[in-house]
Amino acid sequence: NAGVTQTPKFQVLKTGQSMTLQCAQDMNHEYMSWYRQDPGMGLRLIHYSVGAGITDQGEVPNGYNVSRSTTEDFPLRLLSAAPSQTSVYFCASSKQGMNTEAFFGQGTRLTVV
Amino acid sequence: TQLLEQSPQFLSIQEGENLTVYCNSSSVFSSLQWYRQEPGEGPVLLVTVVTGGEVKKLKRLTFQFGDARKDSSLHITAAQPGDTGLYLCAGWGSGTYKYIFGTGTRLKVLA
Repeated sequence: NAGVTQTPKFQVLKTGQSMTLQCAQDMNHEYMSWYRQDPGMGLRLIHYSVGAGITDQGEVPNGYNVSRSTTEDFPLRLLSAAPSQTSVYFCASSKQGMNTEAFFGQGTRLTVV
Repeated sequence: TQLLEQSPQFLSIQEGENLTVYCNSSSVFSSLQWYRQEPGEGPVLLVTVVTGGEVKKLKRLTFQFGDARKDSSLHITAAQPGDTGLYLCAGWGSGTYKYIFGTGTRLKVLA
């Protein structure tokens, strides 16, 4: 059972570089989302998608882009990395619906130097 | 913007003590979930509360949803070192598709 798979697990970027964090799920979930988690803190919503071709901004979208061309994949792009984007990033998926839980990937620890 | 505020932010207690963690909002939620997160891992669901006033028990953990569905609490009886972790409440924002998380409570139980 793969569930939600994130790659890479660790990444170091230089300021100004761009990169894409990958996220794939095999549960046929409509809803996918990206969060960032800073040390000792909760998760803040970056972007989310309610289905293929539909994305929207969360609480902290600046500096990030997303697209959803398939139900399975939801990549997160950092356009020009900044030290403030140093964080742990989690991808999550869930069924559509108000009382459903989210399933998480293992996270990507990103350091921008 | 709907917010979920948790208190306390940090809690360090001795094994065997009881504790309560609170999750509060000014907004109504159709349901709230509680997660526990271990270092280096993603959050894992503990429980979902749906009905106002609902109480759910999971071994030594008791979860309650406020009557007005704006708040929830997690009570741990006789805490053990294995309870150590980050506890997060979460819910779907009313009228939106945003699934938001609380600010988190980091619990450390000392043997």
